[in-house]
Amino acid sequence: AQRVTQPEKLLSVFKGAPVELKCNYSYSGSPELFWYVQYSRQRLQLLLRHISRESIKGFTADLNKGETSFHLKKPFAQEEDSAMYYCALAIQGAQKLVFGQGTRLTINP
Amino acid sequence: DTAVSQTPKYLVTQMGNDKSIKCEQNLGHDTMYWYKQDSKKFLKIMFSYNNKELIINETVPNRFSPKSPDKAHLNLHINSLELGDSAVYFCASSQGGTAEAFFGQGTRLTVV
Repeated sequence: AQRVTQPEKLLSVFKGAPVELKCNYSYSGSPELFWYVQYSRQRLQLLLRHISRESIKGFTADLNKGETSFHLKKPFAQEEDSAMYYCALAIQGAQKLVFGQGTRLTINP
Repeated sequence: DTAVSQTPKYLVTQMGNDKSIKCEQNLGHDTMYWYKQDSKKFLKIMFSYNNKELIINETVPNRFSPKSPDKAHLNLHINSLELGDSAVYFCASSQGGTAEAFFGQGTRLTVV
């Protein structure tokens, strides 16, 4: 069965420190993975997707099929990065996103 | 200019009532969804519609009935509301199914 696991419910780091939000997936097909972010009082929005291999707001994520992981990283955290982050797996042909439990990231000044 | 809009933003109602949440998207997308976010912030898909046709129903109680009058609208009607229905409900849309999904601002439903 398809599943997305974000092992950390809460993550707190200091401003300027590196950040890594973990995401592991379970899926027998070819995965299409996303990171979504929800800032306080705002709607859920796409942060990045693995197929575009881009860096958004300093964040990057690399798909590691061997480890079935798609961890989100940023070398130097900023206070405005504080938000709820969701890893999501798109199921091919099934037209749905399976979300992880979410990680609340707090950046301390 | 809002891409995906839901109404109402907040809904407080008593157990046993029937209520509806409306969703509209102006992005020209062919697929629309309803997601439920529970008190632990866990997001789970409920329904998916493609070109007004139901394609996913994730074992949601039949008290929940989605209706898609056209490609741009997907409404959610809930009968006989229960305390456990309290959650934030998100509407979303995408083009081509598994592409980037655009979310509405959510409807916080509280059943008392």
